[in-house]
Amino acid sequence: EPEVTQTPSHQVTQMGQEVILRCVPISNHLYFYWYRQILGQKVEFLVSFYNNEISEKSEIFDDQFSVERPDGSNFTLKIRSTKLEDSAMYFCASRLGLAGADEQFFGPGTRLTVL
Amino acid sequence: DQQVKQNSPSLSVQEGRISILNCDYTNSMFDYFLWYKKYPAEGPTFLISISSIKDKNEDGRFTVFLNKSAKHLSLHIVPSQPGDSAVYFCAARPSSGYSTLTFGKGTMLLVSP
Repeated sequence: EPEVTQTPSHQVTQMGQEVILRCVPISNHLYFYWYRQILGQKVEFLVSFYNNEISEKSEIFDDQFSVERPDGSNFTLKIRSTKLEDSAMYFCASRLGLAGADEQFFGPGTRLTVL
Repeated sequence: DQQVKQNSPSLSVQEGRISILNCDYTNSMFDYFLWYKKYPAEGPTFLISISSIKDKNEDGRFTVFLNKSAKHLSLHIVPSQPGDSAVYFCAARPSSGYSTLTFGKGTMLLVSP
């Protein structure tokens, strides 16, 4: 069964450093998402991406964040200058279309630890 | 602003009994509701969904009920099995836009043998 994959599974970085989290969505899916879950809190939407551009973003997704799909398979989330509060699980998701029955499939997540 | 609320952080049930997980929402624009299950160190896995035009959807041991007037939905698992032990997230989305999901905080279900 096709699945969403994410690398690395765990990323440790120093405050102020740039990180890139990678995702490979399911191959025929058209809509891509990043969510995050801070420890003990709910899963929160960050950004959605369709047709090579951001379609929606939350208040969390400020200028420090960016996304791109550089090669038609990978979908990346970049944090330019990490802060302590960026420590969280980051989940990538993809969806075939926008029909009612199309659910989002999530990857296993990347645990980001900012020291 | 908790648009999707799961007021029970945890639930313990014996194997073979029914598990009922509850979820309330406040946003009237939501018209599609989903339940995801999450094991530790894994991403959320889709379980079952329901459209706002229905009041019940069943898939094997899992049934989701929607009471639109009360803005309440519930997930029933019958019979519960130890492998069902996980965190269950209620999520909702509107029909418009790009189907962004709004999640509740989750309920940890523990099914004991």
